[in-house]
Amino acid sequence: ETGVTQTPRHLVMGMTNKKSLKCEQHLGHNAMYWYKQSAKKPLELMFVYNFKEQTENNSVPSRFSPECPNSSHLFLHLHTLQPEDSALYLCASSQDRGINQPQHFGDGTRLSIL
Amino acid sequence: DQQVKQNSPSLSVQEGRISILNCDYTNSMFDYFLWYKKYPAEGPTFLISISSIKDKNEDGRFTVFLNKSAKHLSLHIVPSQPGDSAVYFCAASAYQGGSEKLVFGKGTKLTVNP
Repeated sequence: ETGVTQTPRHLVMGMTNKKSLKCEQHLGHNAMYWYKQSAKKPLELMFVYNFKEQTENNSVPSRFSPECPNSSHLFLHLHTLQPEDSALYLCASSQDRGINQPQHFGDGTRLSIL
Repeated sequence: DQQVKQNSPSLSVQEGRISILNCDYTNSMFDYFLWYKKYPAEGPTFLISISSIKDKNEDGRFTVFLNKSAKHLSLHIVPSQPGDSAVYFCAASAYQGGSEKLVFGKGTKLTVNP
């Protein structure tokens, strides 16, 4: 299997639930990203990991907690989310962290908060 | 404030004709630009990029033009094919505040009619 794989593809959860989104890349990349795409809004960068170290947190609420155990895996732990958190969550990876590095995206997890 | 703007939410073109997708940006610090294509239920895929030291980059049917003075770039697809029907995202990147910033536009939905 190649590319960037995200699971689950769809997730419905209540506001008090705890769930995790998983991302796995088989490209040998060193940088991984979480993005949020809400309806009619641009992609918003949430977190960046480079060589397993978090290098950016773009003012994301603490109810989103990322984890990067190794360069191939990235998780987004979700806890007590709000209805406005319903969105498409995309994971991406790139060879390195750099402005000229194209990112490879997964197909996303469509999250719905009840 | 949107730093990367794609003012046309949609564009419809006849097969075989040229498609021109436009993107404007406001931050003069941006110096690398990328186009991504997204099919429904899939993640964005990298299409083509251009550095600010160039004004044109061509790859097969796809050409990106950059006008730095106007802070404008465009993606030309010629000839357009029905398989090109997708949402196209413009993205701009820069080193800012000690880290790389990547900002996406909202996307333009291209429909190529047979």
